[in-house]
Amino acid sequence: EAGVAQSPRYKIIEKRQSVAFWCNPISGHATLYWYQQILGQGPKLLIQFQNNGVVDDSQLPKDRFSAERLKGVDSTLKIQPAKLEDSAVYLCASSIDIDTEAFFGQGTRLTVV
Amino acid sequence: GESVGLHLPTLSVQEGDNSIINCAYSNSASDYFIWYKQESGKGPQFIIDIRSNMDKRQGQRVTVLLNKTVKHLSLQIAATQPGDSAVYFCAENWAAAGNKLTFGGGTRVLVKP
Repeated sequence: EAGVAQSPRYKIIEKRQSVAFWCNPISGHATLYWYQQILGQGPKLLIQFQNNGVVDDSQLPKDRFSAERLKGVDSTLKIQPAKLEDSAVYLCASSIDIDTEAFFGQGTRLTVV
Repeated sequence: GESVGLHLPTLSVQEGDNSIINCAYSNSASDYFIWYKQESGKGPQFIIDIRSNMDKRQGQRVTVLLNKTVKHLSLQIAATQPGDSAVYFCAENWAAAGNKLTFGGGTRVLVKP
């Protein structure tokens, strides 16, 4: 079974630029998560989808971050404009349903300079 | 690859010994707990989970113990191997709050040959 796919693997941008990350969850998984992991810390949930609806986005900085999950499958996370403190690994995860184990992709490492 | 455990508490273990990793979770209403392993440059990998109606669950070489009275979770790894070197995170989930999977701060495990 294929795992969660994310791209790009690495991205370097200047502050105030825009960036987008893509995630393809495991086939059939209804729940999709985006996490931000700053170096030396645990992952922090940004947004959680159930199919194509948002379950929780309370920790998403909505003035600059946006995410969508069209058709309840793939998802994109966008940052516009980026700040230095956005430098982190952005992890996508999926699970069959809410309250089941989540499987993670390898993440996208973002460096904002 | 980048390290995810630069500023995390570290547990040094001799190869072949047993490891015990502890986690204090925050929400007494959490009803589902997961232990994840994260190696450098990779996303978190599921190890074992436990629901709040249990106090112990065993897997292959791993055992998770849950003490709801003191909100404490532990992961025991038997006969620790070099491949067990990684950062370990506990995560808690609260169904009534929309199943937001929240991660703790993590512990870095170093296995000495």
